[in-house]
Amino acid sequence: QKEVEQDPGPLSVPEGAIVSLNCTYSNSAFQYFMWYRQYSRKGPELLMYTYSSGNKEDGRFTAQVDKSSKYISLFIRDSQPSDSATYLCAMKRPSSGSARQLTFGSGTQLTVLP
Amino acid sequence: EAGVTQFPSHSVIEKGQTVTLRCDPISGHDNLYWYRRVMGKEIKFLLHFVKESKQDESGMPNNRFLAERTGGTYSTLKVQPAELEDSGVYFCASSQGPLGQGQETQYFGPGTRLLVL
Repeated sequence: QKEVEQDPGPLSVPEGAIVSLNCTYSNSAFQYFMWYRQYSRKGPELLMYTYSSGNKEDGRFTAQVDKSSKYISLFIRDSQPSDSATYLCAMKRPSSGSARQLTFGSGTQLTVLP
Repeated sequence: EAGVTQFPSHSVIEKGQTVTLRCDPISGHDNLYWYRRVMGKEIKFLLHFVKESKQDESGMPNNRFLAERTGGTYSTLKVQPAELEDSGVYFCASSQGPLGQGQETQYFGPGTRLLVL
């Protein structure tokens, strides 16, 4: 079983729609949760960074973490064609010792249609 | 400020050959990570350098992979001899290190696309 599960999509929505992306995970040691955006032929770019449970908002983006359910979400409001990309969730254990690597979901490919 | 750079952007080699990938981290970043994404799979961790020292190489698939970071600046990842299953995208990331409650932003390079025929 994968440590992080993410629906690969593809997901296609009209411009202006609210997009909901999510990941589930099995390792309760994860404390830091990230969403990366990756455009074609580019490297992942950090969008949102959340510590433990709760919500975090940044412009049109909202990240939610529910540790009791081991479930994280990214919401995109008023989606734009420029939001078309692959969205990757990533998680990390506390930065003690050597375990600093990120564990990624497989990514969800999003297309926002004009 | 320049981001993480990787060279080459693409490499096509035959099985059994050797390939060396290079990563230049963001200036001043002590932490350097290598990750790999093979076709249809998620991005997976390979190893982590702190300056020139290997902090964690638990993700390295086998001894055909050798990573170095001489002088604590750029890093190379050598695959020798390459096998078909080594094909994929190799990403490098760098960070300054944990801040505050342990938040650490890893900045990724564009990746090297490796195809082994």
